[in-house]
Amino acid sequence: NAGVTQTPKFRILKIGQSMTLQCTQDMNHNYMYWYRQDPGMGLKLIYYSVGAGITDKGEVPNGYNVSRSTTEDFPLRLELAAPSQTSVYFCASSYPPSGSSWETQYFGPGTRLLVL
Amino acid sequence: KQEVTQIPAALSVPEGENLVLNCSFTDSAIYNLQWFRQDPGKGLTSLLLIQSSQREQTSGRLNASLDKSSGRSTLYIAASQPGDSATYLCAVLGTSYDKVIFGPGTSLSVIP
Repeated sequence: NAGVTQTPKFRILKIGQSMTLQCTQDMNHNYMYWYRQDPGMGLKLIYYSVGAGITDKGEVPNGYNVSRSTTEDFPLRLELAAPSQTSVYFCASSYPPSGSSWETQYFGPGTRLLVL
Repeated sequence: KQEVTQIPAALSVPEGENLVLNCSFTDSAIYNLQWFRQDPGKGLTSLLLIQSSQREQTSGRLNASLDKSSGRSTLYIAASQPGDSATYLCAVLGTSYDKVIFGPGTSLSVIP
């Protein structure tokens, strides 16, 4: 299994440009997440999905959009890039919670985005 | 609002030392707490996950404890090795997925 894969690894955008960060997992996980990590800070949840066709906002969703047409893929869309979106973006996936137990999340290697 | 802090922000120790990393959270209504390792330029790797009903989890040289009432968790690393050098993050999972809160991490350097 490749686990969670993300493309691209690194990207430079100009202000106002748009792009899609790709995330794919091959573990048949229903739950998928997008986080951003700023220097010296913890990860912040942008969007998450509990299954194909179902998405919901996390802590910092403004400026982003997501879709979940298949179990495997969970792309993150930036429509009008801003310098504040310069960050490292991580995608993660997990099994659904079992009773009151939440399962561990598996992370991709990250996409480093620079908006100038 | 749940807040997660980690102390210290950075730690440098000689090889072979036992060490403790600390994680504190403000809201005790959590489902579980997880410790991750992050290597430079890489994603996060789960080390230990403690369910809210548990007090501790162990994996090899790692032991994590959870005290919900005091809002604290510790990660104990025994006999540290240079390969342990990384950033360690704790994450608290609350009552819904919009309450996944990560701490800022502790950067650990183990000197040979």
